[in-house]
Amino acid sequence: QKEVEQNSGPLSVPEGAIASLNCTYSDRVSQSFFWYRQYSGKSPELIMSIYSNGDKEDGRFTAQLNKASQYVSLLIRDSQPSDSATYLCAATFNQFYFGTGTSLTVIP
Amino acid sequence: NAGVTQTPKFRILKIGQSMTLQCTQDMNHNYMYWYRQDPGMGLKLIYYSVGAGITDKGEVPNGYNVSRSTTEDFPLRLELAAPSQTSVYFCASSYSGRPNEKLFFGSGTQLSVL
Repeated sequence: QKEVEQNSGPLSVPEGAIASLNCTYSDRVSQSFFWYRQYSGKSPELIMSIYSNGDKEDGRFTAQLNKASQYVSLLIRDSQPSDSATYLCAATFNQFYFGTGTSLTVIP
Repeated sequence: NAGVTQTPKFRILKIGQSMTLQCTQDMNHNYMYWYRQDPGMGLKLIYYSVGAGITDKGEVPNGYNVSRSTTEDFPLRLELAAPSQTSVYFCASSYSGRPNEKLFFGSGTQLSVL
């Protein structure tokens, strides 16, 4: 089992909708969790981090962590075309483990 | 502030050639990392360093070497380039390497080995 697994997509949502991105992780990586956004040809940039069970909100972004189910998700409300990117889930256990990323397209 | 600076941005190598990817950071970060990203894949850790003079292997170290003579610089060396090393390489840094600490990434180097 890979340490971090994501559905590669692509995921398409209409502008203004909620985009839901999901990630599962193995027992080995269970300390901290991150969502990075990566535009095509650019480097990853951190948009959310979450360390404890529950929800964490930051503007239009909500990260959800369920340690019992080994599941972390990212919700993007009121999706905008500028949110079109690849979203990388990452978890840490001594080092960062990245998922393969989910490609999101927001259709105007 | 410059943050994490990588050079070059693009490079084409012939099989068997060698090169060094440069990475420097001006944030006084102790931890530095080299990742590679293949198309449609996540980031794989090649090598990392916890401070000047200390380096260690990551998930995919074969074919690469690193050194860390100063806090600021963490170059990645490819000795005998192979087509399998065609990838985008990212250097990253963090202050202390704690699990809840974010990574700062450089802009990446796109390398093609032909």
